[in-house]
Formats: sequence, structure tokens, C-alpha cells
Amino acid sequence: EAGVAQSPRYKIIEKRQSVAFWCNPISGHATLYWYQQILGQGPKLLIQFQNNGVVDDSQLPKDRFSAERLKGVDSTLKIQPAKLEDSAVYLCASSFGGREIPETEAFFGQGTRLTVV
Amino acid sequence: KQEVTQIPAALSVPEGENLVLNCSFTDSAIYNLQWFRQDPGKGLTSLLLIQSSQREQTSGRLNASLDKSSGRSTLYIAASQPGDSATYLCAVITSGTYKYIFGTGTRLKVLA
Repeated sequence: EAGVAQSPRYKIIEKRQSVAFWCNPISGHATLYWYQQILGQGPKLLIQFQNNGVVDDSQLPKDRFSAERLKGVDSTLKIQPAKLEDSAVYLCASSFGGREIPETEAFFGQGTRLTVV
Repeated sequence: KQEVTQIPAALSVPEGENLVLNCSFTDSAIYNLQWFRQDPGKGLTSLLLIQSSQREQTSGRLNASLDKSSGRSTLYIAASQPGDSATYLCAVITSGTYKYIFGTGTRLKVLA
């Protein structure tokens, strides 16, 4: 079974530029998560999708971050414009179920390391 | 609001020691709890998932316990090896929305 795929693995941009990350979850997984992990901290949830609907985006800085999950499969996370404090690893995860089928074990991708200079 | 704390933040032990990593959470109404390992520059690798109805799970040299009433979980690593060096994260999975809330991790170094 293929795991969660993320790209790119690394990205360096200047502040005020825009950047996009891509995630391909495990086939058949209904729930997709984006997490931000700042160095030395645990991952923090940015947004949770179930199929192509948003379950939780309460910690997503909506003035600069956006995410979409078209057709309930792949997802992209965008930052525009980037700030220095956005430097972090962005992790994507997926799990099989959702509210109706709470098979909740999540599988994580390798992450995208973003450096904003 | 659910908060997850891990103690200690860092730990350095000689090879062969048995060790315990601690995780505490403030809201006992959790669905599951999961322990992960994270190597530098890598994603998260799942170690053990404990369902809320369970008390413990074991995999090889790892044993994780869960006490919901006291808001605690422990990860026990037997006969530690240098290859166990990594950051260990615990995450509670909330009931209802199945959101993962992570602790800040314990950075483990096992010395040869």
C-alpha cells in the first residue's frame, strides 16, 4: 500500500512570496489533515477535510493560508504572502474514516520543509 | 480545550536501559491515543494506537498504557538501543471530530 505522498520535500522562498504544497493521501482515505510543525514543537492542526468538505479549520490563518481538496482526493495548501514565522514543516496525513466510520488511525507523509527568508 | 503535555522534553540514556516516556492530557473524553516516532527531517511513524476502551498495547520492545481517568499515558521502551534515538510524540484523538492533538514531544538519545 502506497503511503501519503507530499511534494515538494523542501522549499525556500522570500517573505511576501507565495508557495503551494501538494498532498496525495492513501487511496480510499476519506479524511485528510494538514499540520504545521514549527521546530521544537508538536504538530498543530491547520485544517481537516472529510472527503471534500472542511471539518475543522479553526487554526488556519485564513488571511494568508488556503487549502482545498478537489474531488475529495488530492489536496493543496497555499500560503500567500509568506511570513518569516511560517518557516516550518508542513505535514499531510490521511485516515480511512470520518464521523460515520471512525477508523481514525492516521498515516503521515514525509512533510514539506518550508524556509522563509 | 484539550492540552497535551510530554515529560521529559529530552532524555539521554546509556544503551540497554529501560525507560518510560510520559504523556498527560487535560480532557479525558478522548477517542484514541497514539504514539509516534519522528526522526530528524522525517515525517511521523506510528508506533502504537490505543483505543479508549483499552488499557495498553504492545509491539516488540514497546508497551504503551492508557489511564483515561487520570489523563495519562506512558510509553515504555525496554532494552533501549541507539537506533531508538528520535523524538517521540503522543497525540490524543478527540471524540466527535477525530482531530489529532499533539504534545511537544520527548527527544530521546540512546548512547552506545
